[in-house]
Amino acid sequence: EAQVTQNPRYLITVTGKKLTVTCSQNMNHEYMSWYRQDPGLGLRQIYYSMNVEVTDKGDVPEGYKVSRKEKRNFPLILESPSPNQTSLYFCASTGLERVDEQFFGPGTRLTVL
Amino acid sequence: QKEVEQNSGPLSVPEGAIASLNCTYSDRGSQSFFWYRQYSGKSPELIMFIYSNGDKEDGRFTAQLNKASQYVSLLIRDSQPSDSATYLCAVGTGGSYIPTFGRGTSLIVHP
Repeated sequence: EAQVTQNPRYLITVTGKKLTVTCSQNMNHEYMSWYRQDPGLGLRQIYYSMNVEVTDKGDVPEGYKVSRKEKRNFPLILESPSPNQTSLYFCASTGLERVDEQFFGPGTRLTVL
Repeated sequence: QKEVEQNSGPLSVPEGAIASLNCTYSDRGSQSFFWYRQYSGKSPELIMFIYSNGDKEDGRFTAQLNKASQYVSLLIRDSQPSDSATYLCAVGTGGSYIPTFGRGTSLIVHP
């Protein structure tokens, strides 16, 4: 079954405590991305990756890092989380030759106190 | 600046009616257009994708593009209560497939 998994699904943490949200896909997709979704603001892209070792900033990259060492994994790293990073985060993957083959993970609800 | 605009709604239609959802985009170079459905508390699901060269029909859903006016629409025929969700429009800006999202339109289909 084609899927994108994210972990953890829910996380409550405190300001400044480094955290990583993992994302993994089993479809051999080249393109992966991270979004945050906030009420009234819609989905905003944080970072994306076109392939292994190729990453680029999206619209709201400040305070986040990513890495793409393997094709299937695309973790999101918050080195020093702040309350304004409290949000719902989605990872997504797409086949570059099949743009309509696009899947989102189930989401990670992050609260930074 | 890349912009995709949608009316936040809610758009309320009776069961069996046609629901018409629209969005406008600012980048004239856009060539790929996406519609997603998102149920409350769930992740977005891609339901329609079209290139700039044509419209598309898939079951009860039709996506249409008006390049001259820079808007894309989603028509849902024979609307069902299960269609009640937020519909996100996204546009691949700069000629790429990397989508920029609108804020979504809430659709309510009442029995």
